[in-house]
Amino acid sequence: AQRVTQPEKLLSVFKGAPVELKCNYSYSGSPELFWYVQYSRQRLQLLLRHISRESIKGFTADLNKGETSFHLKKPFAQEEDSAMYYCALSGENYGQNFVFGPGTRLSVLP
Amino acid sequence: ETGVTQSPTHLIKTRGQQVTLRCSSQSGHNTVSWYQQALGQGPQFIFQYYREEENGRGNFPPRFSGLQFPNYSSELNVNALELDDSALYLCASSPWPGTEAFFGQGTRLTVV
Repeated sequence: AQRVTQPEKLLSVFKGAPVELKCNYSYSGSPELFWYVQYSRQRLQLLLRHISRESIKGFTADLNKGETSFHLKKPFAQEEDSAMYYCALSGENYGQNFVFGPGTRLSVLP
Repeated sequence: ETGVTQSPTHLIKTRGQQVTLRCSSQSGHNTVSWYQQALGQGPQFIFQYYREEENGRGNFPPRFSGLQFPNYSSELNVNALELDDSALYLCASSPWPGTEAFFGQGTRLTVV
Protein backbone atom coordinates (compact mmCIF):
# COMPACT_ATOMS: atom_id res chain seq x y z
CA ALA A 1 0.00 0.00 0.00
CA GLN A 2 1.07 3.53 -0.66
CA ARG A 3 2.04 5.44 2.41
CA VAL A 4 3.89 8.62 3.33
CA THR A 5 5.27 9.21 6.79
CA GLN A 6 6.61 12.39 8.33
CA PRO A 7 7.95 11.53 11.77
CA GLU A 8 8.00 15.04 13.20
CA LYS A 9 4.76 16.88 13.93
CA LEU A 10 6.64 19.99 14.96
CA LEU A 11 10.14 21.16 14.20
CA SER A 12 11.56 24.31 15.75
CA VAL A 13 14.83 25.86 14.60
CA PHE A 14 16.50 29.22 15.03
CA LYS A 15 16.81 31.67 12.17
CA GLY A 16 19.95 30.94 10.16
CA ALA A 17 20.15 27.32 11.28
CA PRO A 18 19.89 24.43 8.83
CA VAL A 19 16.59 22.64 8.58
CA GLU A 20 15.66 19.15 7.44
CA LEU A 21 12.09 17.94 7.23
CA LYS A 22 11.94 14.17 6.97
CA CYS A 23 9.72 12.20 4.62
CA ASN A 24 9.65 8.46 3.99
CA TYR A 25 7.39 6.59 1.65
CA SER A 26 6.31 3.11 0.70
CA TYR A 27 5.26 2.42 -2.87
CA SER A 28 5.64 -0.58 -5.10
CA GLY A 29 6.01 1.28 -8.38
CA SER A 30 7.92 4.31 -9.53
CA PRO A 31 6.68 7.27 -7.52
CA GLU A 32 6.71 10.97 -8.03
CA LEU A 33 7.38 12.87 -4.83
CA PHE A 34 6.32 16.37 -3.96
CA TRP A 35 6.54 18.85 -1.14
CA TYR A 36 3.53 21.07 -0.53
CA VAL A 37 3.54 24.02 1.87
CA GLN A 38 0.77 25.90 3.62
CA TYR A 39 1.60 29.30 5.06
CA SER A 40 -0.65 30.83 7.68
CA ARG A 41 -4.10 31.66 6.26
CA GLN A 42 -3.07 30.61 2.76
CA ARG A 43 -4.00 27.64 0.64
CA LEU A 44 -1.89 24.58 0.10
CA GLN A 45 0.65 25.16 -2.66
CA LEU A 46 3.37 23.21 -4.39
CA LEU A 47 6.88 23.89 -3.11
CA LEU A 48 8.84 21.49 -5.27
CA ARG A 49 8.75 18.14 -7.04
CA HIS A 50 11.60 15.71 -7.37
CA ILE A 51 11.57 15.38 -11.15
CA SER A 52 12.20 19.08 -11.67
CA ARG A 53 15.28 19.07 -9.44
CA GLU A 54 14.68 22.73 -8.68
CA SER A 55 15.63 24.77 -5.66
CA ILE A 56 12.65 26.81 -4.53
CA LYS A 57 13.06 29.48 -1.84
CA GLY A 58 16.38 27.84 -1.00
CA PHE A 59 14.79 24.43 -0.36
CA THR A 60 15.98 21.26 -2.03
CA ALA A 61 14.92 17.65 -1.78
CA ASP A 62 16.59 14.54 -3.11
CA LEU A 63 14.77 11.32 -3.82
CA ASN A 64 16.65 8.39 -2.27
CA LYS A 65 15.07 5.23 -3.62
CA GLY A 66 17.29 2.98 -1.53
CA GLU A 67 16.11 4.58 1.69
CA THR A 68 12.67 5.45 0.25
CA SER A 69 13.11 8.98 1.50
CA PHE A 70 12.52 12.48 0.16
CA HIS A 71 13.79 14.79 2.88
CA LEU A 72 13.41 18.55 2.48
CA LYS A 73 16.44 20.65 3.32
CA LYS A 74 17.45 24.28 3.59
CA PRO A 75 20.88 25.43 4.76
CA PHE A 76 19.75 28.65 6.45
CA ALA A 77 16.19 28.90 7.74
CA GLN A 78 14.30 32.19 7.57
CA GLU A 79 11.37 33.29 9.73
CA GLU A 80 9.13 33.40 6.66
CA ASP A 81 9.72 29.65 6.22
CA SER A 82 7.46 29.00 9.21
CA ALA A 83 4.57 26.97 7.80
CA MET A 84 3.02 23.53 7.55
CA TYR A 85 4.88 21.21 5.17
CA TYR A 86 3.36 18.13 3.57
CA CYS A 87 5.20 15.45 1.67
CA ALA A 88 3.11 13.80 -1.02
CA LEU A 89 3.42 10.87 -3.38
CA SER A 90 1.82 10.34 -6.76
CA GLY A 91 1.95 7.19 -8.81
CA GLU A 92 0.25 5.23 -11.54
CA ASN A 93 -0.97 2.67 -9.03
CA TYR A 94 -3.05 5.27 -7.28
CA GLY A 95 -4.95 6.84 -10.10
CA GLN A 96 -2.28 9.50 -10.42
CA ASN A 97 -3.48 11.08 -7.22
CA PHE A 98 -1.67 12.25 -4.18
CA VAL A 99 -1.05 10.42 -0.95
CA PHE A 100 -0.14 13.01 1.64
CA GLY A 101 1.84 12.61 4.80
CA PRO A 102 0.48 13.98 8.08
CA GLY A 103 2.57 17.12 7.82
CA THR A 104 5.30 18.81 9.83
CA ARG A 105 4.90 22.26 11.29
CA LEU A 106 8.12 24.21 10.94
CA SER A 107 8.63 27.07 13.36
CA VAL A 108 11.63 29.31 12.72
CA LEU A 109 12.47 31.28 15.83
CA PRO A 110 14.10 34.73 15.72
CA GLU B 1 -6.06 33.32 -14.94
CA THR B 2 -8.38 32.59 -12.00
CA GLY B 3 -7.46 30.12 -9.31
CA VAL B 4 -9.46 27.29 -7.78
CA THR B 5 -12.46 28.54 -5.86
CA GLN B 6 -14.67 26.60 -3.49
CA SER B 7 -18.07 27.37 -2.01
CA PRO B 8 -19.24 27.72 0.62
CA THR B 9 -16.27 28.48 2.90
CA HIS B 10 -18.03 27.26 6.02
CA LEU B 11 -21.03 25.00 6.54
CA ILE B 12 -22.83 23.49 9.51
CA LYS B 13 -25.07 20.48 8.99
CA THR B 14 -26.96 18.06 11.19
CA ARG B 15 -26.15 14.36 11.34
CA GLY B 16 -28.13 12.46 8.70
CA GLN B 17 -28.44 15.42 6.34
CA GLN B 18 -26.97 15.71 2.86
CA VAL B 19 -24.48 18.32 1.67
CA THR B 20 -23.15 19.56 -1.67
CA LEU B 21 -19.82 21.32 -1.95
CA ARG B 22 -18.75 23.13 -5.09
CA CYS B 23 -15.48 23.78 -6.83
CA SER B 24 -14.50 25.87 -9.83
CA SER B 25 -11.31 24.61 -11.38
CA GLN B 26 -8.51 26.75 -12.66
CA SER B 27 -8.78 27.85 -16.27
CA GLY B 28 -7.38 25.21 -18.66
CA HIS B 29 -7.52 22.38 -16.11
CA ASN B 30 -9.55 19.28 -16.95
CA THR B 31 -8.86 17.30 -13.78
CA VAL B 32 -10.39 17.85 -10.37
CA SER B 33 -9.62 15.97 -7.19
CA TRP B 34 -11.30 16.14 -3.80
CA TYR B 35 -9.59 15.61 -0.46
CA GLN B 36 -10.77 15.41 3.12
CA GLN B 37 -8.51 16.91 5.76
CA ALA B 38 -9.36 16.12 9.34
CA LEU B 39 -7.88 18.25 12.09
CA GLY B 40 -4.17 17.58 12.54
CA GLN B 41 -3.91 15.26 9.54
CA GLY B 42 -2.81 15.51 5.95
CA PRO B 43 -5.35 15.59 3.13
CA GLN B 44 -6.93 12.22 2.29
CA PHE B 45 -7.85 11.51 -1.33
CA ILE B 46 -11.58 11.03 -1.92
CA PHE B 47 -11.83 10.83 -5.71
CA GLN B 48 -10.77 12.42 -8.94
CA TYR B 49 -12.65 13.43 -12.07
CA TYR B 50 -11.03 13.71 -15.46
CA ARG B 51 -13.06 15.03 -18.36
CA GLU B 52 -16.33 14.36 -16.51
CA GLU B 53 -15.50 10.73 -15.65
CA GLU B 54 -14.42 9.38 -12.29
CA ASN B 55 -10.73 8.57 -12.60
CA GLY B 56 -9.87 7.06 -9.27
CA ARG B 57 -11.30 6.76 -5.81
CA GLY B 58 -9.85 6.59 -2.34
CA ASN B 59 -11.09 4.62 0.63
CA PHE B 60 -14.38 6.46 1.13
CA PRO B 61 -17.88 4.94 1.26
CA PRO B 62 -20.38 5.31 -1.60
CA ARG B 63 -22.27 8.04 0.26
CA PHE B 64 -19.43 10.28 -0.96
CA SER B 65 -20.18 10.99 -4.60
CA GLY B 66 -19.22 13.57 -7.14
CA LEU B 67 -19.79 15.16 -10.48
CA GLN B 68 -17.74 17.06 -12.98
CA PHE B 69 -19.43 19.37 -15.44
CA PRO B 70 -18.51 20.22 -19.06
CA ASN B 71 -16.80 23.41 -17.86
CA TYR B 72 -14.74 21.15 -15.53
CA SER B 73 -16.23 22.56 -12.35
CA SER B 74 -17.13 19.91 -9.82
CA GLU B 75 -19.39 18.98 -6.94
CA LEU B 76 -18.83 16.75 -3.94
CA ASN B 77 -21.97 15.27 -2.41
CA VAL B 78 -22.11 13.56 0.93
CA ASN B 79 -25.27 11.74 2.03
CA ALA B 80 -26.28 10.63 5.50
CA LEU B 81 -23.75 12.86 7.20
CA GLU B 82 -21.91 11.50 10.22
CA LEU B 83 -20.13 13.39 12.95
CA ASP B 84 -16.77 12.08 11.64
CA ASP B 85 -17.41 13.80 8.32
CA SER B 86 -16.55 17.07 10.03
CA ALA B 87 -13.41 18.22 8.26
CA LEU B 88 -11.90 20.63 5.76
CA TYR B 89 -12.75 19.54 2.23
CA LEU B 90 -10.21 20.54 -0.38
CA CYS B 91 -10.63 20.68 -4.11
CA ALA B 92 -7.61 20.65 -6.39
CA SER B 93 -7.43 21.06 -10.14
CA SER B 94 -4.64 19.95 -12.45
CA PRO B 95 -3.89 20.34 -16.15
CA TRP B 96 -3.80 16.52 -16.38
CA PRO B 97 -3.98 13.64 -13.87
CA GLY B 98 -0.78 13.35 -11.88
CA THR B 99 0.49 16.83 -12.64
CA GLU B 100 0.80 19.68 -10.18
CA ALA B 101 -2.37 20.15 -8.18
CA PHE B 102 -3.62 23.66 -7.47
CA PHE B 103 -5.71 23.77 -4.34
CA GLY B 104 -8.70 25.81 -3.36
CA GLN B 105 -9.05 27.40 0.04
CA GLY B 106 -11.31 24.61 1.24
CA THR B 107 -14.78 24.24 2.73
CA ARG B 108 -14.96 23.73 6.48
CA LEU B 109 -17.85 21.31 7.18
CA THR B 110 -19.08 20.84 10.72
CA VAL B 111 -21.59 18.08 11.42
CA VAL B 112 -23.49 18.40 14.69
